[in-house]
Amino acid sequence: GAGVSQSPSNKVTEKGKDVELRCDPISGHTALYWYRQSLGQGLEFLIYFQGNSAPDKSGLPSDRFSAERTGGSVSTLTIQRTQQEDSAVYLCASSYRPLNSPLHFGNGTRLTVT
Amino acid sequence: AQKVTQAQTEISVVEKEDVTLDCVYETRDTTYYLFWYKQPPSGELVFLIRRNSFDEQNEISGRYSWNFQKSTSSFNFTITASQVVDSAVYFCALSEYNRDDKIIFGKGTRLHILP
Repeated sequence: GAGVSQSPSNKVTEKGKDVELRCDPISGHTALYWYRQSLGQGLEFLIYFQGNSAPDKSGLPSDRFSAERTGGSVSTLTIQRTQQEDSAVYLCASSYRPLNSPLHFGNGTRLTVT
Repeated sequence: AQKVTQAQTEISVVEKEDVTLDCVYETRDTTYYLFWYKQPPSGELVFLIRRNSFDEQNEISGRYSWNFQKSTSSFNFTITASQVVDSAVYFCALSEYNRDDKIIFGKGTRLHILP
């Protein structure tokens, strides 16, 4: 079946512009994560959605970052007034229930802020 | 607080050698889960193993083995008779049961298997 789909795969934007990154999780997966991967920084947790619970936003680096998940499915990560330090690969992952099943990752969106 | 430390940033070994990737974690919970993921050069992260805090049995899967030791808060990963295809970045991760399944990853270890 279809895996986790992220779009766009690559995004180049000018500093100060807003960007939206999209994640389509695997159908039926209740948990959805966003991570950021910068060179040499590993996987940095950003935000986590689980079912109808309030999202865990504790990893968002600043108030320029926000995310939503509509209808328990598609998620959008928005970065406002982008900065060069926002350049990274943004990864989305989904799962039925992470503790009982593995995360399925998308291929990521490579964001470059010029 | 949850924390995962992978002290080895980068390792290079010659093919057929054994190699161990270290993972040390911190948690206040008694119930937690540990994971290893592989990120090959293609970029997509692949799940390797999950272990819960009540199961300290070591696990072997082909050339891969995992050593979980609660006494030292470590969950190390060994590749026996390494192959070039094992070249990848390997991530260790932790999820605390009381943190609603939030999964925290270490910074990863980049493994180079030299032919």
